[in-house]
Amino acid sequence: DTAVSQTPKYLVTQMGNDKSIKCEQNLGHDTMYWYKQDSKKFLKIMFSYNNKELIINETVPNRFSPKSPDKAHLNLHINSLELGDSAVYFCASSRPWGEGGGRTDTQYFGPGTRLTVL
Amino acid sequence: RKEVEQDPGPFNVPEGATVAFNCTYSNSASQSFFWYRQDCRKEPKLLMSVYSSGNEDGRFTAQLNRASQYISLLIRDSKLSDSATYLCVVNGPYGNKLVFGAGTILRVKS
Repeated sequence: DTAVSQTPKYLVTQMGNDKSIKCEQNLGHDTMYWYKQDSKKFLKIMFSYNNKELIINETVPNRFSPKSPDKAHLNLHINSLELGDSAVYFCASSRPWGEGGGRTDTQYFGPGTRLTVL
Repeated sequence: RKEVEQDPGPFNVPEGATVAFNCTYSNSASQSFFWYRQDCRKEPKLLMSVYSSGNEDGRFTAQLNRASQYISLLIRDSKLSDSATYLCVVNGPYGNKLVFGAGTILRVKS
């Protein structure tokens, strides 16, 4: 009964390929996120969706496109993979901002997808 | 200046020691503060939220100083299982955006 799950766990691919990472949460949360953790362990937000609507889009190349078919799923598609895309990608979910009484709510993270681009 | 700054460590301490981590943040409008824990090759997990009045959860005590934009985490009676990276986390300029520090590595040795 994993709360936030991601597939695949490991992804090794060649430069120039297109790949997708899937994320699902069974917590009933309305808000989902994608984060990237690079080799220096810095965790940075990429995107956030609230009830299928994009609400945060950090400075991320257009090659990255999130897709939310429903509020329990947020997938990440990456076109034309580059060496610098190698990282661990984490999906997360939370209640929407505001439901925590004006405080940001706890975010629950998936186990991560380790992407290696060769 | 980084939005959230932490001493990367590592802090190498013996079992039973008391250890303290500090963190500073740059956005004075931040309203939510957290400590997350990340084990090697695992996802971050919430350790505790940090409240203005300070709060304690067992061996862990968190403090917030809004005037100095400073957050601390104190771990008493360290256990081997406390070995991890501790991430200081602050909400960004809007809503649910969280800004993570680079983390402080703790190694507890027997």
